[in-house]
Amino acid sequence: KQEVTQIPAALSVPEGENLVLNCSFTDSAIYNLQWFRQDPGKGLTSLLLIQSSQREQTSGRLNASLDKSSGRSTLYIAASQPGDSATYLCAVLRGTSYGKLTFGQGTILTVHP
Amino acid sequence: ETGVTQTPRHLVMGMTNKKSLKCEQHLGHNAMYWYKQSAKKPLELMFVYSLEERVENNSVPSRFSPECPNSSHLFLHLHTLQPEDSALYLCASSQDLAGGPSEQFFGPGTRLTVL
Repeated sequence: KQEVTQIPAALSVPEGENLVLNCSFTDSAIYNLQWFRQDPGKGLTSLLLIQSSQREQTSGRLNASLDKSSGRSTLYIAASQPGDSATYLCAVLRGTSYGKLTFGQGTILTVHP
Repeated sequence: ETGVTQTPRHLVMGMTNKKSLKCEQHLGHNAMYWYKQSAKKPLELMFVYSLEERVENNSVPSRFSPECPNSSHLFLHLHTLQPEDSALYLCASSQDLAGGPSEQFFGPGTRLTVL
């Protein structure tokens, strides 16, 4: 059974810092990995999707890497801003004909001015 | 309307009530999903519909009954729920391709409270 773990559970940083969120998964037979952002009481916003054949994806100040063989992914946020404060979720998709995402518990990020 | 919409956004119900959650996707996708997000637990997949056919049911109690009348609409019918069913219920959709599933897009969720 696939298990996804995110470390740390919570992170508080001053504005402007670069930071790294970690995600690990137990079964390396994944189809892709997605990073999501969730604001309090809201739905999920997809940030980055990395296919299993890819090593990284970048979008603006965000960079996500994937090491499938070791079961790890990192989300790097450059020059953090207070608006980045949210819960960040990592999810892996197994290789079926339809999507079956397994989520981690998330990292709660607070960026203070 | 764009993306994935869900109604109602908030719902309070008693244990003997019957209610329904509605999800609509405006993305032309062919797969839809129900997830449950409880406090301090990871998001859990409840049901998957691909091409309007239920393809996964993750041992969800029968007091939750999904319905997918067409590829754009998904319902979750609720009956005699328990207080522990209080959670954020999220709907998602994706375009499942011959080569495999694609990125999932989520709605804003329905915050359900069972008294």
